[in-house]
Amino acid sequence: GQNIDQPTEMTATEGAIVQINCTYQTSGFNGLFWYQQHAGEAPTFLSYNVLDGLEEKGRFSSFLSRSKGYSYLLLKELQMKDSASYLCAPAAGNNRKLIWGLGTSLAVNP
Amino acid sequence: NAGVTQTPKFRILKIGQSMTLQCAQDMNHNYMYWYRQDPGMGLKLIYYSVGAGITDKGEVPNGYNVSRSTTEDFPLRLELAAPSQTSVYFCASQEGLSYEQYFGPGTRLTVT
Repeated sequence: GQNIDQPTEMTATEGAIVQINCTYQTSGFNGLFWYQQHAGEAPTFLSYNVLDGLEEKGRFSSFLSRSKGYSYLLLKELQMKDSASYLCAPAAGNNRKLIWGLGTSLAVNP
Repeated sequence: NAGVTQTPKFRILKIGQSMTLQCAQDMNHNYMYWYRQDPGMGLKLIYYSVGAGITDKGEVPNGYNVSRSTTEDFPLRLELAAPSQTSVYFCASQEGLSYEQYFGPGTRLTVT
């Protein structure tokens, strides 16, 4: 079957670093996406990893280990505007669908 | 480019009424998707399309219908609305060579 596991909620302090973990089990794995979703808004693309390793993009980095079925999203120099849900979404199968986790709700406190 | 557009933004329906949620994209994407998202929950796939004239069911298709007569448009039809269909509906599109999905702003639907 297909399963995604990520923490439901996390809190962090402005200026700090936070790591959001995601473990997954899918068949026909074709990479992993992270999306950000602010309350009341649509998800927006953050990162895509298809090979093992770390991808860095400004304050955000994403890591993938295909053999372990594990990814994390690293957010540095947290800002209040980073308070949002972060969705882990493996791409699986030939029909180009993303498998969506429930998301991690991150609250950044001053 | 406008990207993915959805109309209406908000709608209140009475039980048993019908309506069509509109979705359009101007990126010439072959793949399009309809999701629903209930409060505090993840995205659930309702229907998807891999190109004009081709549609298929997702995880939660009951109570909905779709059509895809053009590449640009992918309307979602609700027949006999029920309170369980109260949700936020997102349309997304995807270019054929990539898995990245682009989302519309959503339609907030309440059925009372």
